[in-house]
Amino acid sequence: LAKTTQPISMDSYEGQEVNITCSHNNIATNDYITWYQQFPSQGPRFIIQGYKTKVTNEVASLFIPADRKSSTLSLPRVSLSDTAVYYCLVGDVRSSNTGKLIFGQGTTLQVKP
Amino acid sequence: DAGVIQSPRHEVTEMGQEVTLRCKPISGHNSLFWYRQTMMRGLELLIYFNNNVPIDDSGMPEDRFSAKMPNASFSTLKIQPSEPRDSAVYFCASSLGQGAREQYFGPGTRLTVT
Repeated sequence: LAKTTQPISMDSYEGQEVNITCSHNNIATNDYITWYQQFPSQGPRFIIQGYKTKVTNEVASLFIPADRKSSTLSLPRVSLSDTAVYYCLVGDVRSSNTGKLIFGQGTTLQVKP
Repeated sequence: DAGVIQSPRHEVTEMGQEVTLRCKPISGHNSLFWYRQTMMRGLELLIYFNNNVPIDDSGMPEDRFSAKMPNASFSTLKIQPSEPRDSAVYFCASSLGQGAREQYFGPGTRLTVT
């Protein structure tokens, strides 16, 4: 079972780049790494997903080293509206087995003015 | 697309009463998930359906909880009888495909059992 470990909380200031690292030492060969964002009183929202190296979309980048035992979500130039909880998950996108979809505690990011 | 629709948004009930939460997934999605979120336990997966069939219900806490998906556009999560410890936010999510594919979450139902 691929469990993830991430910092409980992080603080940043507007305009800075924020990097949140997630540890997943037991990641399986077919597992992908997925990040979700959750605002208070809302359901989680998909941010980005990747398997290896680097993935970039309009809101974030995901860096995955060769051993895949960790990953880093990078948020460029954060604003106050990026204050949220960020979850890292690992799981097989092809499998009907959802036992690995564990959200964990997530990382609470607080962006300050 | 309206996204995942959940009802009611808020529910307050007394201990021992039956509670039914409803979910309409995004049209075309064939996987549906029910989650429960509390401060103490975080976000927990309760049950997962694929093509209307329950695939994994290992997260359902006990026999008081039951979930159904009679068709591709509707699912219910029922708690009977309800207890104060069931108080939580219940989320429904849907996705296209299986496994860890992108899930779209509904707004949630905040349940309070007194």
